[in-house]
Amino acid sequence: SQQGEEDPQALSIQEGENATMNCSYKTSINNLQWYRQNSGRGLVHLILIRSNEREKHSGRLRVTLDTSKKSSSLLITASRAADTASYFCATDGTETSGSRLTFGEGTQLTVNP
Amino acid sequence: DGGITQSPKYLFRKEGQNVTLSCEQNLNHDAMYWYRQDPGQGLRLIYYSQIVNDFQKGDIAEGYSVSREKKESFPLTVTSAQKNPTAFYLCASSIGGTLAGTQYFGPGTRLLVL
Repeated sequence: SQQGEEDPQALSIQEGENATMNCSYKTSINNLQWYRQNSGRGLVHLILIRSNEREKHSGRLRVTLDTSKKSSSLLITASRAADTASYFCATDGTETSGSRLTFGEGTQLTVNP
Repeated sequence: DGGITQSPKYLFRKEGQNVTLSCEQNLNHDAMYWYRQDPGQGLRLIYYSQIVNDFQKGDIAEGYSVSREKKESFPLTVTSAQKNPTAFYLCASSIGGTLAGTQYFGPGTRLLVL
């Protein structure tokens, strides 16, 4: 079952603008991760935020987590054309066994030069 | 170079045929995973293995089989029982343990039906 749901499904912005993607999930989590996928390629891990953390930064990426609302957001600042990709959130649910993740449907980001 | 490799990049299956997708990692990871991705959609877990000689079904295991005889290798067989096998297949690995950490993905195999 798909625990994470991203919003919006697709986002188109101009280079230099900020991009915000949201992820909602249904059950309690140990951590939430964001991944990036360029077209026809494998996924690349971007950032992991634990359930007891509220915000985390990595370069131009900022992730927030609100466990009371069961939601997370990924902000990419000063976007570049090279940021064009699909972005997925993935959750490590407290009720799932072992080290498996549940991925959402993804947000397709297009950054126009 | 450390990493995770998948082969082949493209694979064609005839009706009624079993095909095997290869996944190898040299990251010394205990856990390995197989996902299926359909166009414009997210990843769905087929099978995963947390240790050698052990594996568990994911959400869509029907029509697939796996083995984990070596730590480095986790091949996926798409059997003739899988009626709609056309998809992009992704293999991943992680350190493993009781919590899910970062997963490292291979480049994927695209399976097409002739």
